[in-house]
Amino acid sequence: TQLLEQSPQFLSIQEGENLTVYCNSSSVFSSLQWYRQEPGEGPVLLVTVVTGGEVKKLKRLTFQFGDARKDSSLHITAAQPGDTGLYLCAGDDGNTGKLIFGQGTTLQVKP
Amino acid sequence: EAEVAQSPRYKITEKSQAVAFWCDPISGHATLYWYRQILGQGPELLVQFQDESVVDDSQLPKDRFSAERLKGVDSTLKIQPAELGDSAMYLCASSSGQGLQKTQYFGPGTRLLVL
Repeated sequence: TQLLEQSPQFLSIQEGENLTVYCNSSSVFSSLQWYRQEPGEGPVLLVTVVTGGEVKKLKRLTFQFGDARKDSSLHITAAQPGDTGLYLCAGDDGNTGKLIFGQGTTLQVKP
Repeated sequence: EAEVAQSPRYKITEKSQAVAFWCDPISGHATLYWYRQILGQGPELLVQFQDESVVDDSQLPKDRFSAERLKGVDSTLKIQPAELGDSAMYLCASSSGQGLQKTQYFGPGTRLLVL
């Protein structure tokens, strides 16, 4: 059974701080997606990483896919209150189109 | 920009009643997914359709849940009878199913409260 473990589960920081969220598995994924979800809304896709070692940047967010395609990280620089939400990583096994989701990281950025 | 549509957005029902949720995927997306999400956790797949066919319903509680996508476009998820433990967010997602286009796009969800 493929599992994705996210850490930390909860994170509460002050505006301007940096943070990193980790997504780890013992399984290899063909791609990995990061979503952000606001309360009462569906997840919104932030990025898809496909190649081992790949790094993608989205403004203050930096996403990295591990060389072995088993893990990923999301780094936020100078967090803002608007970054508050549930961050989800999801791995694609490359065969069924089924996504395996991590349990999520709830981020609260205080002004 | 094309979006996945879901209705209703909120539903309050009493246990033992029947409820139904509707999803209209992004036009042209052959693959449709229904997920259940407990507050603060990641979504769990209930059922996956490829066109009108069920590809994976291994996590669907079939004694009370049913899903259909009769014409391979929109889909309905039904719960009968609803139980207290069914209170959750029900999310629909769709993808075109090809390469990177396996990326799933989610609708806004239906939040269900069973009293």
